[in-house]
Amino acid sequence: EAGVAQSPRYKIIEKRQSVAFWCNPISGHATLYWYQQILGQGPKLLIQFQNNGVVDDSQLPKDRFSAERLKGVDSTLKIQPAKLEDSAVYLCASSSGQGSSYEQYFGPGTRLTVT
Amino acid sequence: GNSVTQMEGPVTLSEEAFLTINCTYTATGYPSLFWYVQYPGEGLQLLLKATKADDKGSNKGFEATYRKETTSFHLEKGSVQVSDSAVYFCALIWGIVYGGSQGNLIFGKGTKLSVKP
Repeated sequence: EAGVAQSPRYKIIEKRQSVAFWCNPISGHATLYWYQQILGQGPKLLIQFQNNGVVDDSQLPKDRFSAERLKGVDSTLKIQPAKLEDSAVYLCASSSGQGSSYEQYFGPGTRLTVT
Repeated sequence: GNSVTQMEGPVTLSEEAFLTINCTYTATGYPSLFWYVQYPGEGLQLLLKATKADDKGSNKGFEATYRKETTSFHLEKGSVQVSDSAVYFCALIWGIVYGGSQGNLIFGKGTKLSVKP
């Protein structure tokens, strides 16, 4: 089966500009996650969707970050305006959400550099 | 709060050496524990998991045992290969709601392993 797809793979922008990342999860996976991975650290959850509803966005900086999953399939994460500290890899993951299956499948990530 | 602490890297070993990467956790209740691996240029992949105390997860020659008494989940491999060079992340999940949404993963900072021929 196809894995989690993300685009673009790399993005360089100046501070105060806006940027958007796209994720297409594994077909049939109800749960979708966005993580931020700063260099030298482990990934940190930004937002979790169950179908097209938000389950957890407690660590999303809502003054500048937004995310949507309108039809319960693919998702977009936006940053507006970007700051230097937003430089990181943004990872999308999905899981089936069935029973006790906890495995999350990760995409290759989008590396964002803010200058 | 809930957290994961793993040994600092980088770790450099010769091929066929024994590997241990230490991981300890702090969590309320009974989390599930995971090791993820990130090969150069690739996304995170689940390596192994354990969902309850004394469970042993294993895959590709790697093993880790869920030790509740020491709150640890150390990763071991008896004989590493050059192809095992990667970054390894210990992680836990808590707050799972059965039949509905799932808890989120909390990761350690990662340990970079380099294996020399």
